Amino acid sequence: GENVEQHPSTLSVQEGDSAVIKCTYSDSASNYFPWYKQELGKGPQLIIDIRSNVGEKKDQRIAVTLNKTAKHFSLHITETQPEDSAVYFCAASATGYSSASKIIFGSGTRLSIRP
Amino acid sequence: DAGVTQSPTHLIKTRGQHVTLRCSPISGHKSVSWYQQVLGQGPQFIFQYYEKEERGRGNFPDRFSARQFPNYSSELNVNALLLGDSALYLCASSRGQGAREQYFGPGTRLTVT
Repeated sequence: GENVEQHPSTLSVQEGDSAVIKCTYSDSASNYFPWYKQELGKGPQLIIDIRSNVGEKKDQRIAVTLNKTAKHFSLHITETQPEDSAVYFCAASATGYSSASKIIFGSGTRLSIRP
Repeated sequence: DAGVTQSPTHLIKTRGQHVTLRCSPISGHKSVSWYQQVLGQGPQFIFQYYEKEERGRGNFPDRFSARQFPNYSSELNVNALLLGDSALYLCASSRGQGAREQYFGPGTRLTVT
């Protein structure tokens, strides 16, 4: 069945350093890949997304890359700050008119930024 | 603009009881999706509704049902509650029927004792 694997499950980086989270997906029909940030006691917040016709997308300190052939996608956060500490989820969806419009989430990465 | 709102915030129920959770989407959004998030895991898709019709269903038993109203708000109903139904129930809204740009509410924390 559809599956999204996410690594690592926990990540601790020094403030100012970069953080990288990697995901793989199983459904070849997946064409939309959002990333969510979830802080304690809150719902997931969409921080960036990428579509299958794009290999890379950047928004300030955040970038995502997609390798459709290998079914890999990654989140890169540069110049990390204390407020980046949270749980990050990657996700994949085969979104389209005839597809069940559901998002399959990874298991999450708990990112901690050390001062 | 107000984001997605959910009620109640917290809820405690006993096994076998029934529960109704409510969601109001972002203004202008016509699609509502429901997810279950067990502690320490990613959200799992339960339902998607678009224009008051069910457009997608996840792998959940028939005890779970939902509906969407003319104002695009939605209810999730769970019958015959089990201990394993204890979770954070999340609602997400989006403009279209696809999965793109879904925005989540804060969730309802359900505890079944």
